[in-house]
Amino acid sequence: DAGITQSPRHKVTETGTPVTLRCHQTENHRYMYWYRQDPGHGLRLIHYSYGVKDTDKGEVSDGYSVSRSKTEDFLLTLESATSSQTSVYFCAIRSGTTNQAATNEQFFGPGTRLTVL
Amino acid sequence: DQQVKQNSPSLSVQEGRISILNCDYTNSMFDYFLWYKKYPAEGPTFLISISSIKDKNEDGRFTVFLNKSAKHLSLHIVPSQPGDSAVYFCAGTQGGSEKLVFGKGTKLTVNP
Repeated sequence: DAGITQSPRHKVTETGTPVTLRCHQTENHRYMYWYRQDPGHGLRLIHYSYGVKDTDKGEVSDGYSVSRSKTEDFLLTLESATSSQTSVYFCAIRSGTTNQAATNEQFFGPGTRLTVL
Repeated sequence: DQQVKQNSPSLSVQEGRISILNCDYTNSMFDYFLWYKKYPAEGPTFLISISSIKDKNEDGRFTVFLNKSAKHLSLHIVPSQPGDSAVYFCAGTQGGSEKLVFGKGTKLTVNP
């Protein structure tokens, strides 16, 4: 258990509304990631962060923004949700220790199921 | 361009037999590979990994084999147990990169 929580765990919203998902970690890990999982697509990286206020885009970043004002929190925002953003969203961390930096082993949170109607 | 491919969406085996999950990759810069296991309604959990300088890594019932020339790796589970029923994701990464690149996953069902 890497001390990762995600909130909310489930959310139903309507097209066009803003949505923010929160990832919280308790172990001061440097690297944090947001993925989405969809049938037939596996896990795809949306955005990641390598420190406070340091973020970068992943494979499927369009329509998403992120913020990291504190080490422990990484927020994912859908400015105007669309039905194509219905998915399960996972947060992950990597501690940045020497071994994990070499292997890029990441630990995942429990996920947020988002439905956009 | 799919850099990590898991061409079998599903696999069904009998309890006690061997499960073999396959993964192919196209990015020759990958130097580390990881397998994750995912149960429904839970996040993926790390299972086993292998460095590109090795051809085999074993951890209990789980063994990963790497064939660099074929750009292919496989996960062997022996003996398979019903509790192994899950989706298995293969991932590749390149040294110095912060990113993992995942395959689409293979759903393993182990029948009692």
